[in-house]
Amino acid sequence: DTGVSQNPRHKITKRGQNVTFRCDPISEHNRLYWYRQTLGQGPEFLTYFQNEAQLEKSRLLSDRFSAERPKGSFSTLEIQRTEQGDSAMYLCASSEETDTQYFGPGTRLTVL
Amino acid sequence: SQQGEEDPQALSIQEGENATMNCSYKTSINNLQWYRQNSGRGLVHLILIRSNEREKHSGRLRVTLDTSKKSSSLLITASRAADTASYFCATERGGSNYKLTFGKGTLLTVNP
Repeated sequence: DTGVSQNPRHKITKRGQNVTFRCDPISEHNRLYWYRQTLGQGPEFLTYFQNEAQLEKSRLLSDRFSAERPKGSFSTLEIQRTEQGDSAMYLCASSEETDTQYFGPGTRLTVL
Repeated sequence: SQQGEEDPQALSIQEGENATMNCSYKTSINNLQWYRQNSGRGLVHLILIRSNEREKHSGRLRVTLDTSKKSSSLLITASRAADTASYFCATERGGSNYKLTFGKGTLLTVNP
């Protein structure tokens, strides 16, 4: 399967713990996006990478959130000191020079 | 913030009927995309229509775009039970680093 993959698919953590998610984009896609989706809502943009450069961050991304994309391949999204409000589906998408973004299956985070 | 707004929020039809979903948005766009999401899963790209296009077809899908009214519609013909899902429109605005702004979605239920 050459689609976007995300790990883990589910994560349950206690409030205050740190969590890290991984996204592997479609091979050779230079653009990578993170979105967050809460129940009953559409996805909301968090951050965007072109190759290894993080070019944009949403105001939704507080100081507790950090994302990286070393070497312009996979990306990680870390949330420090998780809060119950961080519970959501975290979606990763990638694209090449065309406009179409291809989404991964998401990581569902539950903060207890 | 969410730019697109789908209408209706929920739609229930019988297999074989056509389903029409509408999307309105607020600012000028480069393109508008429709995605499908099965319960609790990732998004599947359906179709992309650019701002200079008025209509596109893909299989049983027909999308129209009216930039003067800032609206789009998605028509699914001869619906099947497998079409049951949430459908989202997403807009890409100029100078936006290609990020997508999603609406809240339409929940389509196709009854067998």
